[in-house]
Amino acid sequence: NAGVTQTPKFQVLKTGQSMTLQCAQDMNHNSMYWYRQDPGMGLRLIYYSASEGTTDKGEVPNGYNVSRLNKREFSLRLESAAPSQTSVYFCASSELFVGQPQHFGDGTRLSIL
Amino acid sequence: GDSVTQMEGPVTLSEEAFLTINCTYTATGYPSLFWYVQYPGEGLQLLLKATKADDKGSNKGFEATYRKETTSFHLEKGSVQVSDSAVYFCALTNTDKLIFGTGTRLQVFP
Repeated sequence: NAGVTQTPKFQVLKTGQSMTLQCAQDMNHNSMYWYRQDPGMGLRLIYYSASEGTTDKGEVPNGYNVSRLNKREFSLRLESAAPSQTSVYFCASSELFVGQPQHFGDGTRLSIL
Repeated sequence: GDSVTQMEGPVTLSEEAFLTINCTYTATGYPSLFWYVQYPGEGLQLLLKATKADDKGSNKGFEATYRKETTSFHLEKGSVQVSDSAVYFCALTNTDKLIFGTGTRLQVFP
């Protein structure tokens, strides 16, 4: 039972490089989310997709773009990585958008030099 | 806006001690409340939830009661184990989005 799968698990980038973080869920959930986790700040929402075909900004969207490729997949792209984007990134999904618990992947640890 | 406040950590306990992690919230209306747990190197896992006032969520020996009068959802466990060492997040969801507290690290020693 895979749940939410994130790739890669670890990545090191140089400032200015671009990359895409991949996320896929096999629970037939409608809503998907991207968070970043930084020490002492909990989880902050970057972007979300309430349903297939829609995406919206969260609390900290600057420097990121997302694509809801289909119902299963939701990718996060860093176009020009900056050291401030060094973080652990989590993808999550939920059956519905409102009032439902979210299921999380194991995270991508991203370091930008 | 809506927010969640958790007690600062780390909380350090001996095995079999009683655990309380405080959580209070600010929200309009009637949010659903959650506790998530994050073990080292892993993502967050839902531990328990409560969707209305006076509901008690429970799982794996952990309990939390939704107290609307004090806007609280404190996490408790009667006897902790070393395997409970993790970071615990209180969260709420209201009309949209899940809002997390900053997390409380629990360290349990034998």
